[in-house]
Amino acid sequence: AQTVTQSQPEMSVQEAETVTLSCTYDTSENNYYLFWYKQPPSRQMILVIRQEAYKQQNATENRFSVNFQKAAKSFSLKISDSQLGDTAMYFCAFMKLNSGNTPLVFGKGTRLSVIA
Amino acid sequence: SQTIHQWPATLVQPVGSPLSLECTVEGTSNPNLYWYRQAAGRGLQLLFYSVGIGQISSEVPQNLSASRPQDRQFILSSKKLLLSDSGFYLCAWSGASGTLYEQYFGPGTRLTVT
Repeated sequence: AQTVTQSQPEMSVQEAETVTLSCTYDTSENNYYLFWYKQPPSRQMILVIRQEAYKQQNATENRFSVNFQKAAKSFSLKISDSQLGDTAMYFCAFMKLNSGNTPLVFGKGTRLSVIA
Repeated sequence: SQTIHQWPATLVQPVGSPLSLECTVEGTSNPNLYWYRQAAGRGLQLLFYSVGIGQISSEVPQNLSASRPQDRQFILSSKKLLLSDSGFYLCAWSGASGTLYEQYFGPGTRLTVT
């Protein structure tokens, strides 16, 4: 079974600074996707970024980028120019690829606070 | 564009009462559908998922059940609620198998069992 570990229960960052959230996973699969989701105080889960395991290039979405290290099974999220609206719980998630889609396996989350 | 709805938004129910939470998706056909539960301060636990009408896979044995009476409707039920059923319930959808791997979540239902 796959597991996802987020070792930082809480983090804080000053507004406009950069922060990196860590995520490691354990799997014997070779084909999979990795995701970062954001859950603000409203509790709506919002997809931030995704990475296909077969791609060597790290995914980027505006101020959000990932550092995907497949051999190390590491998938960290970097937030640049942090904004107050980035305050949220961040969840790392894994999905293996079979002949069809499969459910996500989530980490326990990192609570990020952006401080003015 | 696709949208996903959940209701009710909040619910307070006594122990032993029945439960019915509803989730509907608009703007897509034959989606995969999922029910998750999030206990306070914890991650998401997958409860059920469905790849088609009448096809339900259960991930965690419990007193909850799920049904999919229509292509874009997913219902979470219980005949008798337990205190441990309290939590935040999230419904999610993804594209039909082989497409749109991302899961998109509804706004959630906060359930308190008293």
